[in-house]
Amino acid sequence: DTEVTQTPKHLVMGMTNKKSLKCEQHMGHRAMYWYKQKAKKPPELMFVYSYEKLSINESVPSRFSPECPNSSLLNLHLHALQPEDSALYLCASSQEGRTYGYTFGSGTRLTVV
Amino acid sequence: GNSVTQMEGPVTLSEEAFLTINCTYTATGYPSLFWYVQYPGEGLQLLLKATKADDKGSNKGFEATYRKETTSFHLEKGSVQVSDSAVYFCALSKTGANNLFFGTGTRLTVIP
Repeated sequence: DTEVTQTPKHLVMGMTNKKSLKCEQHMGHRAMYWYKQKAKKPPELMFVYSYEKLSINESVPSRFSPECPNSSLLNLHLHALQPEDSALYLCASSQEGRTYGYTFGSGTRLTVV
Repeated sequence: GNSVTQMEGPVTLSEEAFLTINCTYTATGYPSLFWYVQYPGEGLQLLLKATKADDKGSNKGFEATYRKETTSFHLEKGSVQVSDSAVYFCALSKTGANNLFFGTGTRLTVIP
């Protein structure tokens, strides 16, 4: 299995809703990432988990809450989002070390209304 | 600091034309360099990589050579196809930094 699977593919939520994005990989990668990508822009790093511990939080607002229940799963809990949070949310995983590329999921297209 | 600069797009080519997308980087030490491709509505896919100076990464007819003397990692393909239409991102990775530093991306459109 060489994939990162993200669900759902599309999500529309109101500003008062609570929802979660899910990401799963079975490649034995010990680093997992959440990125946010706005239209016509490169991905922006949000969070990094290394060996199931949060190692990087790029000053992301608290309305985004990551969780890593085990080495294969990564969640992103969403609450009280704003319309400007609408974007493509990408999950990725990698082995530790600079020489390994990341494997990205196909993303969740989030629209906040 | 670490940064990647890509040529501005969009780039429009006819099928079978030669492709070059320029990428230069700024980094201390010895980064690894990557090209990722993003097809419409999808996530990013690793296209090729090079981990040390003078390495050449290649995949699906695309090539890029890690040039430390010019701090460059230009993407080339001898004959593009319509199916190569996508956004291409150059990126670098540093030891001890769990992050990829992306360029701004270059949109390629290949017309029949």
